[in-house]
Amino acid sequence: DGGITQSPKYLFRKEGQNVTLSCEQNLNHDAMYWYRQDPGQGLRLIYYSQIVNDFQKGDIAEGYSVSREKKESFPLTVTSAQKNPTAFYLCASSVRDSAFGYTFGSGTRLTVV
Amino acid sequence: GENVEQHPSTLSVQEGDSAVIKCTYSDSASNYFPWYKQELGKGPQLIIDIRSNVGEKKDQRIAVTLNKTAKHFSLHITETQPEDSAVYFCAATYTGRRALTFGSGTRLQVQP
Repeated sequence: DGGITQSPKYLFRKEGQNVTLSCEQNLNHDAMYWYRQDPGQGLRLIYYSQIVNDFQKGDIAEGYSVSREKKESFPLTVTSAQKNPTAFYLCASSVRDSAFGYTFGSGTRLTVV
Repeated sequence: GENVEQHPSTLSVQEGDSAVIKCTYSDSASNYFPWYKQELGKGPQLIIDIRSNVGEKKDQRIAVTLNKTAKHFSLHITETQPEDSAVYFCAATYTGRRALTFGSGTRLQVQP
């Protein structure tokens, strides 16, 4: 079955450490996205990528970095520069040049301890 | 800037009643308006969407209406059931960005 997989489901990080969240899709989608979800604030766009080796900043890119070396993969690194990283992170994908019909992963809950 | 306002933030209805969630957007060039349902601990799932050339779309108990002049769109759920309880998000596309901007979400609770 085609889908989008995020791992791990739960992640704990010590302050000052970088951590990478995985997102893999086998839907043959060109576009991939990272959103952050906080209570009462909906989903906020961190980064997105329409094609391999290209990506754009979203509304809250500070303290995050991404790479897009393969069509299937779009990992997100939460760096020590992110002041308040505890949140639920969602990855999504869609066909190229379109935001139509996102498919979301099941999310990663990151907690800084 | 790009913004989608969503109301109410919480909504409680009795089983069998209707529920309505409203969203407004700011870019008159927006042309795609999806609605997502998120169950606890899961990623959102697309339940219905509408494009700017259509005023209304229905899918069984769910309908979405769009008023381009007023720049608002609404989700209507009829004959609500306990399994409709979830968080619902509206979203819109904005000029110059090939990514969705989401509203802040509505927590719908259907009381049996």
